Amino acid sequence: DAGVIQSPRHEVTEMGQEVTLRCKPISGHNSLFWYRQTMMRGLELLIYFNNNVPIDDSGMPEDRFSAKMPNASFSTLKIQPSEPRDSAVYFCASSLEQGYGYTFGSGTRLTVV
Amino acid sequence: AQSVTQLDSQVPVFEEAPVELRCNYSSSVSVYLFWYVQYPNQGLQLLLKYLSGSTLVKGINGFEAEFNKSQTSFHLRKPSVHISDTAEYFCAVRANQAGTALIFGKGTTLSVSS
Repeated sequence: DAGVIQSPRHEVTEMGQEVTLRCKPISGHNSLFWYRQTMMRGLELLIYFNNNVPIDDSGMPEDRFSAKMPNASFSTLKIQPSEPRDSAVYFCASSLEQGYGYTFGSGTRLTVV
Repeated sequence: AQSVTQLDSQVPVFEEAPVELRCNYSSSVSVYLFWYVQYPNQGLQLLLKYLSGSTLVKGINGFEAEFNKSQTSFHLRKPSVHISDTAEYFCAVRANQAGTALIFGKGTTLSVSS
């Protein structure tokens, strides 16, 4: 299994631009999670899906953030417009059952200048 | 709601010394507990987990952790560390109920030197 695949690995964009982060979970996993990691705040849960349905998006910081999971093999996290304070590493993780061991992707390092 | 406190932000140790990384959690319901490791520029990898049963849990790379319900702790230990154990370690908790996800601590940086 290729694991959880995230793209791109690195993204540098200018303030105000739209950014789309992508995630392909492990086949057969029915839960998908988006986390953001910064030095100041550590790992924050942004949103998670169960069977493609968003269960809890209370961690999404602002309306500028949105996430979708159109099918079991693909999810996107979009920031529009982006701001410098959005700079962080964004991780996607998937799980066979909610709460058991998660498999994390390698992350997307986002820099907004 | 659940929360996790990792009591040490940095732990420096010498190679072959024992190490303990401390983790305390807070929850009004029963929980599952996890330890993850993150090497530089990589994602998180599951070290071990406590779901139920024996309170002493063994994981990969020689690590183990003990669940102590009365002290609400889940400390990670290794009797003899290697240089390659240098990494960031995260404790995480999840409530034993539907509709919840893992909540992570701030992490502990383990630095092993020779």
